[in-house]
Amino acid sequence: DVKVTQSSRYLVKRTGEKVFLECVQDMDHENMFWYRQDPGLGLRLIYFSYDVKMKEKGDIPEGYSVSREKKERFSLILESASTNQTSMYLCASSGGNNEQFFGPGTRLTVL
Amino acid sequence: TQLLEQSPQFLSIQEGENLTVYCNSSSVFSSLQWYRQEPGEGPVLLVTVVTGGEVKKLKRLTFQFGDARKDSSLHITAAQPGDTGLYLCAGVRTDSWGKLQFGAGTQVVVTP
Repeated sequence: DVKVTQSSRYLVKRTGEKVFLECVQDMDHENMFWYRQDPGLGLRLIYFSYDVKMKEKGDIPEGYSVSREKKERFSLILESASTNQTSMYLCASSGGNNEQFFGPGTRLTVL
Repeated sequence: TQLLEQSPQFLSIQEGENLTVYCNSSSVFSSLQWYRQEPGEGPVLLVTVVTGGEVKKLKRLTFQFGDARKDSSLHITAAQPGDTGLYLCAGVRTDSWGKLQFGAGTQVVVTP
């Protein structure tokens, strides 16, 4: 059974804190993605990675960075969390056929 | 950015009724996917349509890709409470690496 797991389902942080969101996939996929999901806006791509140590900005990368040291793990980092980064964060991975497999999401609240 | 617009944003129907969700764009997509997302979970792929005019059926769900590959529809026949969820369409972007452009989603609620 293929799986994408995310480190936390719920997270509450304070403004200015550094936040790490971790994602692990067990499908040996090359591509991994981080999205945020907000009501009425759908899923917006923050960053993606097509290989170990390779990363590309998505549509809304400001305020975020990523790390991919191993093929199965893709981390999203909020250097200094702000209230407008309160959102649902979804990680996904895909192989060669463009089907994306998603994790359950992390609901992040920044106070 | 290739935009995808979904309509309606919200649909509430009784069990047994039919419904249709639309996904429209001014851009051409090489293929289009439909996902369903249930509360507290990530989206799960339902179907991928590739050829203009293509129709795919998944039990009571019928998916259609427009002839010009700019639009798609999802029709559910005799909806059941288990069909409740957020339906998302996603087009494969032309800037490669398997990136998808998602619509904002249609929240479907089916009441018994």
